[in-house]
Amino acid sequence: SQQGEEDPQALSIQEGENATMNCSYKTSINNLQWYRQNSGRGLVHLILIRSNEREKHSGRLRVTLDTSKKSSSLLITASRAADTASYFCATDAGGGGFKTIFGAGTRLFVKA
Amino acid sequence: NAGVTQTPKFQVLKTGQSMTLQCAQDMNHEYMSWYRQDPGMGLRLIHYSVGAGITDQGEVPNGYNVSRSTTEDFPLRLLSAAPSQTSVYFCASTTRGAGAHTQYFGPGTRLTVL
Repeated sequence: SQQGEEDPQALSIQEGENATMNCSYKTSINNLQWYRQNSGRGLVHLILIRSNEREKHSGRLRVTLDTSKKSSSLLITASRAADTASYFCATDAGGGGFKTIFGAGTRLFVKA
Repeated sequence: NAGVTQTPKFQVLKTGQSMTLQCAQDMNHEYMSWYRQDPGMGLRLIHYSVGAGITDQGEVPNGYNVSRSTTEDFPLRLLSAAPSQTSVYFCASTTRGAGAHTQYFGPGTRLTVL
């Protein structure tokens, strides 16, 4: 079973609007990451937030993490048509092991 | 720096055939992984390796074998292909640092099993 569950599954917005995607997970984590996948391509790492961090920014991206609710959100501000892609959260479980588990993703479509 | 490379880009197999998907990275990363992605789904971990000579199973290992004889290469073998293995396969390599694993992905291999 997958660790991360994204919500919504699909999102369609106008260029210039903000896009918010949510991710919930089940077990304790070391960190949570967000990736973007353009159609037919591999995933590209966007941002990583550690379990002891609550918020992180990178350009137009803002990520929050609430470990008490086991949830994270990705906000893309002032979206552009080029932001059209699928966005995945991924979690690294605790215990010193290495297994990165991905959610099913949110498909974002930004209309010009 | 080529990053993570995968070959072939596309492959069609018949049921029962075997093949090897190649993956190589030139970033000296210790960790490498294989994922499969089915339509409308996220990535599911097949096998991973934390260093040369060390491999372990992920979520969906059945029907696949891996080996890691060098740091650079991590081939994935399909022993006897089945239609259920039709998917897009991604290889990734990972930095190791303070418990944070940022993954670098290859472009993928699109496999169809008839």
